[in-house]
Amino acid sequence: SQTIHQWPATLVQPVGSPLSLECTVEGTSNPNLYWYRQAAGRGLQLLFYSVGIGQISSEVPQNLSASRPQDRQFILSSKKLLLSDSGFYLCACTIGTGNSNQPQHFGDGTRLSIL
Amino acid sequence: AQKVTQAQTEISVVEKEDVTLDCVYETRDTTYYLFWYKQPPSGELVFLIRRNSFDEQNEISGRYSWNFQKSTSSFNFTITASQVVDSAVYFCALSGGDNYGQNFVFGPGTRLSVLP
Repeated sequence: SQTIHQWPATLVQPVGSPLSLECTVEGTSNPNLYWYRQAAGRGLQLLFYSVGIGQISSEVPQNLSASRPQDRQFILSSKKLLLSDSGFYLCACTIGTGNSNQPQHFGDGTRLSIL
Repeated sequence: AQKVTQAQTEISVVEKEDVTLDCVYETRDTTYYLFWYKQPPSGELVFLIRRNSFDEQNEISGRYSWNFQKSTSSFNFTITASQVVDSAVYFCALSGGDNYGQNFVFGPGTRLSVLP
């Protein structure tokens, strides 16, 4: 079965600094990949999803961007962080075709605090 | 548009009590899938169950059971004889009508606290 690695686990960054969060998947190939953000005590907000290398779809306009340089690597970035970027960032994947019926499997998340 | 409502924001029960978490969904798709996830205090989301729209058979797994009723657009989750380890946030989710999973919609979650 697939395993999703996210790092770092926690991160404290000043406002205006850049960001790079990494997600890698093991145990499967050609997964669909997703980035979610969860604000404290809130639900999940889909930020980006990717169906293949170099293919990124954005769900929410913001100062974040995503890239998929390799099949099983998904990176979330920002050039200048805002206070509102604080939250818990989760990477997820689905495998196989007909992805709407597949559960999303999640990494352990990155807790990002902006000071 | 798809929508998932979990009206119970927080629930507290005493250990060994039964508890039901409500989930109501909206979709125009004829084929769709429903999911429940558990998010313990450590933060990771754990997949619990998937149900497709053509299968209304209820499911039981140990102390967990799920009641899917298409007529009321509900997919409720019951924990029998709750334990402290069941304390977590539980999310109901809906997916359908696409091939990429981008319409995977989560409800706002219900925080369950099981007190010893």
